Amino acid sequence: DVVMTQSPLSLPVTLGQPASISCRSSQSLVYKDGNTYLTWFHQRPGQSPRRLIYKISNRDSGVPDRFSGSGSGTDFTLKISRVEAEDVGVYFCLQGTHWPYTFGQGTKLEIK
Amino acid sequence: EVQLVESGGGLVQPGGSLILSCTASGFTFRSYWMTWVRQAPGKGLEWVADIKYDGSQKEYVGSVKGRFTVSRDNAHNSIYLQMDNLRVEDTAVYYCARDPGEQSQWGAFDVWGQGTMVSVSS
Repeated sequence: DVVMTQSPLSLPVTLGQPASISCRSSQSLVYKDGNTYLTWFHQRPGQSPRRLIYKISNRDSGVPDRFSGSGSGTDFTLKISRVEAEDVGVYFCLQGTHWPYTFGQGTKLEIK
Repeated sequence: EVQLVESGGGLVQPGGSLILSCTASGFTFRSYWMTWVRQAPGKGLEWVADIKYDGSQKEYVGSVKGRFTVSRDNAHNSIYLQMDNLRVEDTAVYYCARDPGEQSQWGAFDVWGQGTMVSVSS
């Protein structure tokens, strides 16, 4: 199975400051069709997860443009340019290239 | 409105069985793969199973193979998770979600239900 490793697992950030989360896979996530199926989700306390970004860098409608995704192969990053209070919660990456799908452990973002 | 609603959770003894249901509305259900994801209390997300839009392909995480069965009824816009031989470690909130794989977005679950709690305990 593909292992997804996120870092850091805990991320205290001051409001207005940037934040960055890394997600590394144990093997390449490039699929035979040329796409890379790496997705980022955000889960606020007590809520269901919500998709933020798919195929590395495609931001969902309604997701603020302060969120961006980048990377390739086995190394991916989610960046928040200026953290706002509503960004607290846990961020998960997921790979959809290989069965079984696998999630990263999650990164808990909190406001300092 | 695009929506997924799960039901069927509850308390069951180890070795017991439970069936979860998820009913969809607001989109063309028969065109989408569907998935089950679970989250143990205070833990991260774990993908459990996926089923193709026509039910002809099913995928499972290793820890549930042979114990869980995913199925769907496109006439009723529903998917199901038959869970047998339940273990304490299966205790979790179970979410169903839409997997837009056929739209070239594999694993990019874009619609989620509210979840249903399954507790396995004696």
